[in-house]
Amino acid sequence: GNSVTQMEGPVTLSEEAFLTINCTYTATGYPSLFWYVQYPGEGLQLLLKATKADDKGSNKGFEATYRKETTSFHLEKGSVQVSDSAVYFCALRDMDSNYQLIWGAGTKLIIKP
Amino acid sequence: GAGVSQTPSNKVTEKGKYVELRCDPISGHTALYWYRQSLGQGPEFLIYFQGTGAADDSGLPNDRFFAVRPEGSVSTLKIQRTERGDSAVYLCASSLLWEAANTEAFFGQGTRLTVV
Repeated sequence: GNSVTQMEGPVTLSEEAFLTINCTYTATGYPSLFWYVQYPGEGLQLLLKATKADDKGSNKGFEATYRKETTSFHLEKGSVQVSDSAVYFCALRDMDSNYQLIWGAGTKLIIKP
Repeated sequence: GAGVSQTPSNKVTEKGKYVELRCDPISGHTALYWYRQSLGQGPEFLIYFQGTGAADDSGLPNDRFFAVRPEGSVSTLKIQRTERGDSAVYLCASSLLWEAANTEAFFGQGTRLTVV
């Protein structure tokens, strides 16, 4: 079955540091891949997505590239800010999962000034 | 409304009681999903609706859980004989389409259910 694995948190970085949050997936079909973010006290928001191999999703300085050969969709940002502190979820969706979102466990990111 | 609205935002109930959780999706979104999120975990699929019908209810954990969407808009998740293990944040999401893997799902802020 489909599954998503992402690195455990919390991840603690200093402001302006480089961020990578790893995400790998298992899927029998050709899924679309998503990163959602959950800021403290708020609901889940779509951060970025990629719908086919080699696509790069980007938003708010975050990027992730859909790598079919390594079944990965790692989230990166060149210079994090305190306001990026949140929980980040990697997810996939395809017809084999009946179009449900299949989620990773989430990675808590803490940015210190 | 502008986004997905869920009420109540918090619900504390006693073990064995019945609860209803409401979701008001974005206007025009035909697909509606319920997920459950336990502390420190990603959301877990419960059920989704395409219009008024439950297209997939395979994620409902047992027959104490039931959901309806009678007019194809607002949905209610109903939990009978609540147990402490039902405590979680219940998330609702809606999207324009369900048969499209790249369609964005918009989430409400969730209902935090605590069974004491």
